[in-house]
Formats: sequence, C-alpha cells, structure tokens
Amino acid sequence: DQQVKQNSPSLSVQEGRISILNCDYTNSMFDYFLWYKKYPAEGPTFLISISSIKDKNEDGRFTVFLNKSAKHLSLHIVPSQPGDSAVYFCAASHTGGFKTIFGAGTRLFVKA
Amino acid sequence: DGGITQSPKYLFRKEGQNVTLSCEQNLNHDAMYWYRQDPGQGLRLIYYSQIVNDFQKGDIAEGYSVSREKKESFPLTVTSAQKNPTAFYLCASSLAGLLAKNIQYFGAGTRLSVL
Repeated sequence: DQQVKQNSPSLSVQEGRISILNCDYTNSMFDYFLWYKKYPAEGPTFLISISSIKDKNEDGRFTVFLNKSAKHLSLHIVPSQPGDSAVYFCAASHTGGFKTIFGAGTRLFVKA
Repeated sequence: DGGITQSPKYLFRKEGQNVTLSCEQNLNHDAMYWYRQDPGQGLRLIYYSQIVNDFQKGDIAEGYSVSREKKESFPLTVTSAQKNPTAFYLCASSLAGLLAKNIQYFGAGTRLSVL
C-alpha cells in the first residue's frame, strides 16, 4: 500500500515557466513533509519541507503548498531553470519518528 | 568535507554469495538508514539505527543484515536469502530527536547486480 504517491512519473517544462510537482498521501498521522532532489549517479538531497501546521513554505524559487483536507502537497518552481532537471521525491513522516515514507519520484525536464 | 560515503559504486553478486555494502558518515549523526530503490518505486526502508549497537528492521528487512558497531559506520550485508537483490541501495543519516525534522543526508548509492 503506497502511503505517498506521485502520480506523474515525468514532467516537461519550458525554461522560465512554472513547474508544479504533485504528491498525495493517505496516512493522517503524517505531520511533516519533505521534498528531495536527485541528480543521476548522486544521492537525493533535501530541498524544502513543510510542517502540517502551515499551508505554505517558500525558499527562493521553491514553494511547497500543503492541503491537509485533501491530503495533497505540491512543489512549485518559479522560474524553472535547466539545472532544475532532476528527479524529485516527495516524502512524509511524523515528528520525532524515524521512518520516512518516500514517493516514487517525478522526473522533471526543463527545456532551454 | 562532511558527508556520507558509500562503496563500492557498483557491485556484482554471484548466486549464493553474501555481499557487504559499506556506508561511512562524518556528520556526527546518530541515526543511519538503508534504503532500496527499484525502478518506478520510491525508496523503501531496509534497516535503520538510532544509536550505536542498536538497529531496527524497516519494511523490507528479509534477506538483509546490518551492524552498528561505530557511530560512523553502518554496513549492509545482502545475504543469499535475498532472492531479488538487484537494485540501487542508498544509505542516509540524520540527527536524532525532534529538532532533526527528519531531514536525511544521502550517500551517492551502490548499484548491485546479480551475475
């Protein structure tokens, strides 16, 4: 049973436009959500996170939105750059817990 | 440079053979993790350790074993009981406790294939 789902395996966006990556979760106990970015032949790196007490967190070009009632979060990248081309993993956990559940990832292509 | 080092980058296993994947961190993190990634799937937790000399099974521990004799090291052994070991293996570490916010730092991974 996939508790964290990223339904789009890939996304292609023109440079300078907005990229929107989506993630759905099923477990109401999750209260902390993270996005990781992964380049080929490298491990994932932490990008941005959000606590369930917020509905938005912004860091430069990256913004994560959380809709708790819909159990849905999204990552917005504005403006998209070719260097953003990577696989993005959505992840969920509960505060103080050691287990983090990862989605399958979405591969983002940003075309120059 | 602080970070997590996994070795080897590529590993081949023969039938019936045990192989060990190395993971070393110099971030002074208490918690360490092993994940497996298969095509089209998320990272699945194999084992994790919150402190030296202690570790817990994750969601897919069968056919794997670990040890945590030192804070810096968390090797993973893929035993002959693991019938489908071909995958990309990732090691991670994190601070422990509420302030850690579950942010994990990953190594570059080891790709294991069966000969």
